Amino acid sequence: DIVMTQSPDSLAVSLGERATINCKSSQSVLYSSNNKNYLAWYQQKPGQPPKLLIFWASTRESGVPDRFSGSGSGTDFTLTISSLQAEDVAVYYCHQYYSTPHTFGQGTNLEIK
Amino acid sequence: EVQLVESGGGLVQPGGSLRLSCAASGFTFSSYYMHWVRQAPGKGLVWVSRINSDGSSTTYADSVKGRFTISRDNAKNTLYLQMNSLRAEDTAVYYCARDLDKYDYWGQGTLVTVSS
Repeated sequence: DIVMTQSPDSLAVSLGERATINCKSSQSVLYSSNNKNYLAWYQQKPGQPPKLLIFWASTRESGVPDRFSGSGSGTDFTLTISSLQAEDVAVYYCHQYYSTPHTFGQGTNLEIK
Repeated sequence: EVQLVESGGGLVQPGGSLRLSCAASGFTFSSYYMHWVRQAPGKGLVWVSRINSDGSSTTYADSVKGRFTISRDNAKNTLYLQMNSLRAEDTAVYYCARDLDKYDYWGQGTLVTVSS
């Protein structure tokens, strides 16, 4: 199984500042035949299902604000929120869908400082 | 509008069974792989099972293999999860999710509580 490890577990950032969450996979999730990283990022607020933010490691889902961006390839990935807004308080998960079981990171709890 | 609505959760005793349903609407259900993902109270997301678009291929997490069965009825636009031999550690909110090379739509979830 591919193990997904996020860092940090929790993060406090001031409004308007940058937030960065890292995700490392125990093996590459880059599929060589199409050069795509099978890595997604989700946002989950209390009492709600996860919401897709980023797929293919760096493609923003339709309707997601452009302050959210994803980067990385192979085994190391980053979710960046360029200017934190109050509504961004949530838990963020990375997720590999390269091979089953489709594993998730443990989550990063993002708060306002 | 794409909608996924789970049902069938509830309180069940250890060793008991439940069948979850996920009613899909707003898209061509028969064209998509579907997944079940669960989340224990206060914990993270855990993938449970996947089924391909015509139901001919299924995959399970080791923790549920042999106890859970995923299936679908494309005529009824419904995904199922039959859960047998339930354990306390199966207590969770169960979500269904659509797979379009990303889990782009999720249901609101249904809570399964396994307790005596």
